[in-house]
Amino acid sequence: KAGVTQTPRYLIKTRGQQVTLSCSPISGHRSVSWYQQTPGQGLQFLFEYFSETQRNKGNFPGRFSGRQFSNSRSEMNVSTLELGDSALYLCASNLGGGGPSTYEQYFGPGTRLTVT
Amino acid sequence: AQKVTQAQTEISVVEKEDVTLDCVYETRDTTYYLFWYKQPPSGELVFLIRRNSFDEQNEISGRYSWNFQKSTSSFNFTITASQVVDSAVYFCALSEAQGNAGNMLTFGGGTRLMVKP
Repeated sequence: KAGVTQTPRYLIKTRGQQVTLSCSPISGHRSVSWYQQTPGQGLQFLFEYFSETQRNKGNFPGRFSGRQFSNSRSEMNVSTLELGDSALYLCASNLGGGGPSTYEQYFGPGTRLTVT
Repeated sequence: AQKVTQAQTEISVVEKEDVTLDCVYETRDTTYYLFWYKQPPSGELVFLIRRNSFDEQNEISGRYSWNFQKSTSSFNFTITASQVVDSAVYFCALSEAQGNAGNMLTFGGGTRLMVKP
């Protein structure tokens, strides 16, 4: 079974620009979550999508948004980029139901975003 | 609010030594899940184990073992006979069981383990 894939793997953007990151979950997984990892703040939850609906949201400004498509693929968008948005953005997928195994999240390799 | 603390930011051992990574958590929920993930230099988080709050049995998987103690809100991870390939950052994480309302992981700050030959 293929794992979680994220594109692109590396990205360099300039302050003020916007960026879109893509995540394809493991086949059969209906939930996709996004996390930001920085040296200062560590790993922080951004949001989770399930069946094309945002189900949970972390404490990030409205510049961070996402969506999920009918095939469970997800995109994350950051508008008006700031230097502090430089981070590794990790996507995770899981089955998405309510049983214990659905809490196991499987992560992709991440997209490393650098804002200059 | 939930919180996970990994007090050890960095540990260095020599190959074949045993090493224990500490994890302490806080949550108000009675039903929750605890996890350990490994992050090698490539960046991808690798799932190691899930433990639910009702199961305090220790678990062993090869050279890895986990000690869950609800009384002290700890979920420690021991690597026996460490190897150079164990060098990575290890994260402990907590998820409160929200059923169909979804799930989100709260991570500790991570412990960087360096195993020297």
